[in-house]
Amino acid sequence: SAVISQKPSRDICQRGTSLTIQCQVDSQVTMMFWYRQQPGQSLTLIATANQGSEATYESGFVIDKFPISRPNLTFSTLTVSNMSPEDSSIYLCSVGESREKLFFGSGTQLSVL
Amino acid sequence: SQQGEEDPQALSIQEGENATMNCSYKTSINNLQWYRQNSGRGLVHLILIRSNEREKHSGRLRVTLDTSKKSSSLLITASRAADTASYFCATAGTGGGNKLTFGTGTQLKVEL
Repeated sequence: SAVISQKPSRDICQRGTSLTIQCQVDSQVTMMFWYRQQPGQSLTLIATANQGSEATYESGFVIDKFPISRPNLTFSTLTVSNMSPEDSSIYLCSVGESREKLFFGSGTQLSVL
Repeated sequence: SQQGEEDPQALSIQEGENATMNCSYKTSINNLQWYRQNSGRGLVHLILIRSNEREKHSGRLRVTLDTSKKSSSLLITASRAADTASYFCATAGTGGGNKLTFGTGTQLKVEL
């Protein structure tokens, strides 16, 4: 199993600013995933962060808007850049060494005014 | 997209009753999983069923899978107030990679 610490747990931000979300795992993992969950909606994968290479972004998400860092096998950050109210969501990091079980952080609830 | 549809969107039952929620998906899968989310926080893995399995049990949970209908159901027996949460199905496609695609979710409320 994996224990994931994600912070901040929530934030209220002004339009046009950026927020960096941190995700720390208690063990080394190859792949980390960043999801977005808009209010009342399901989870949508933003990107897969691999250590030592650029993140792989899903359709509809771009690096300029959601830059990701993955400096080592236990840590990753997701930045939400130039925020607008449409970016208000829960952002979740998760890890999983296979497609049989994902472990999730507790999420970051972001509100953009 | 392969996003699953779940129904009902919301379900309210009394403690002790059984809760059944359904998930439909669009393309071939390797496995299907169910997750629980409390109050918009992180998700917790509940149970996995592989494409060659039809039914699986874990405690008060029973999952069925019908690949011909591309559907799955999650049954929670003898529900408790602590079961109040959102439940999501997630599918792993046959195309490889570690990506899961999540369904739309069912909000379950168990009342005392």
